[in-house]
Amino acid sequence: GQSLEQPSEVTAVEGAIVQINCTYQTSGFYGLSWYQQHDGGAPTFLSYNALDGLEETGRFSSFLSRSDSYGYLLLQELQMKDSASYFCSFDQAGTALIFGKGTTLSVSS
Amino acid sequence: GAVVSQHPSWVICKSGTSVKIECRSLDFQATTMFWYRQFPKQSLMLMATSNEGSKATYEQGVEKDKFLINHASLTLSTLTVTSAHPEDSSFYICSQNDRDKNEQFFGPGTRLTVL
Repeated sequence: GQSLEQPSEVTAVEGAIVQINCTYQTSGFYGLSWYQQHDGGAPTFLSYNALDGLEETGRFSSFLSRSDSYGYLLLQELQMKDSASYFCSFDQAGTALIFGKGTTLSVSS
Repeated sequence: GAVVSQHPSWVICKSGTSVKIECRSLDFQATTMFWYRQFPKQSLMLMATSNEGSKATYEQGVEKDKFLINHASLTLSTLTVTSAHPEDSSFYICSQNDRDKNEQFFGPGTRLTVL
C-alpha cells in the first residue's frame, strides 16, 4: 500500500532548530514534497526532493534518501510564524499528492 | 507560480441540499485539477482527479454520484456535493500541478458546513 509516517506534534522555542522526519511506503515514487498549512488556510509548497540529498531554501531545508524511503524537513531559526502543520507528500508521475497525516509544530517564545 | 481561486470560501447549507464549489485557474491552463477534502485536525485526502473534457477519476470510497465533478474548460473545475449531510461538513480544496516546478498550487479552500 501507500503510506507516509510523520510525528503528530513537535514543540520548540524561537530560534531553535527542528527536524520533522517522514518515512514513506509506495510502489511508485517520483519525489517527496513538503507543504506548510496554517490553521484555516490552504497548503503552501515548501520544497521538493526528487534526488537523494539536501535541498536548502532559506531557513528551510529538506532531505531525501530514496534507498531508506526517508526524508526530513529541517527548520532553522524558528519564528513564531512557523507554528503550523507540516505535511510530507509524494507524487507518482504527475498524479495527485498523497499526504502524510501532518506534524503540528508549535513554536513558543 | 500558478494562482488558483475557489468560490465560495465558505458555505452553510441545510441537510439535503446541493452545493457547488468552483475552482478556477487564473493564470494557467490546467488539463488536470485535483479535489481534496480535509476534516478538522486531519490530513488532506484526495477525492478525485478532474480531467478537462472527460470524466473525473475518483478515489476508492468516494461516491461519484454524490460528488459530481465537471471540468468543462481549462480554467474551471466544479465540485457539486449533492444531497449534503452533516458528515459532508469539511474543508474542500482544489489544486493543480506545475510539473515544471514539481509543485502543486492549492486554492484557498471552501469550508462547507451542513446543518
